[in-house]
Amino acid sequence: QVQLQQSGPGLLKPSQTLLLTCAISGDSVSSNSAAWTWIRQSPSRGLEWLGRTYYRSKWYNDYAVSVRSRITVNPDTSKNQFFLQLNSVTPEDTAVYYCARVRGTSGFDSWGQGTLVTVSS
Amino acid sequence: DIQMTQSPSSLSASVGDRVTITCRASQSISSYLNWYQQKPGKAPKLVIFAASSLQSGVPSRFSGSGSGTDFALTINSLQPEDFATYYCQQSYSAPLTFGGGTKVEIK
Repeated sequence: QVQLQQSGPGLLKPSQTLLLTCAISGDSVSSNSAAWTWIRQSPSRGLEWLGRTYYRSKWYNDYAVSVRSRITVNPDTSKNQFFLQLNSVTPEDTAVYYCARVRGTSGFDSWGQGTLVTVSS
Repeated sequence: DIQMTQSPSSLSASVGDRVTITCRASQSISSYLNWYQQKPGKAPKLVIFAASSLQSGVPSRFSGSGSGTDFALTINSLQPEDFATYYCQQSYSAPLTFGGGTKVEIK
């Protein structure tokens, strides 16, 4: 059974960089059938897909247009985990952030526990 | 981006009722449609994938239908643990997008 464990800070000041980690157990970040994704949820924006990383003979990334200039999602194969880096945060980035796994087009079948990130001066 | 529109945004129902939630995509997404259940303070849980396939461990009172642009999630004989918010999500193309949610409340 796949488990995703998130870690990272919950409070940031505007202009700082958000860095969240998602540790994977029960699967591999290098799996050829999975994609590793970050999603956030806020009352104003609902559930918002942010980006993903996946391995298909080489590494690929896709990002949402709304954050493309500020986001990086990277794997760490040595620790079987992946990261979300979001630069220059503003109060509009305040949300609960989730990591999740998707296999093919079958939906997000495993989720992290969620991290409430608050951006405030 | 593909826009996902759910209706209603909320509904009140009683235990034992049959409930149907609809989801419309702004363009055809074939059967690349998934449904999630979310309870307060918890991550969403996958209920239906590929429009009509029941996720492992989900009770058979949940069912999904539709293809193209119009989809539905039906819960037969609503149980107390089914009161939650439900979201649709398209997996046809990136960016993967979600509907706005339907809150199912106790009447």
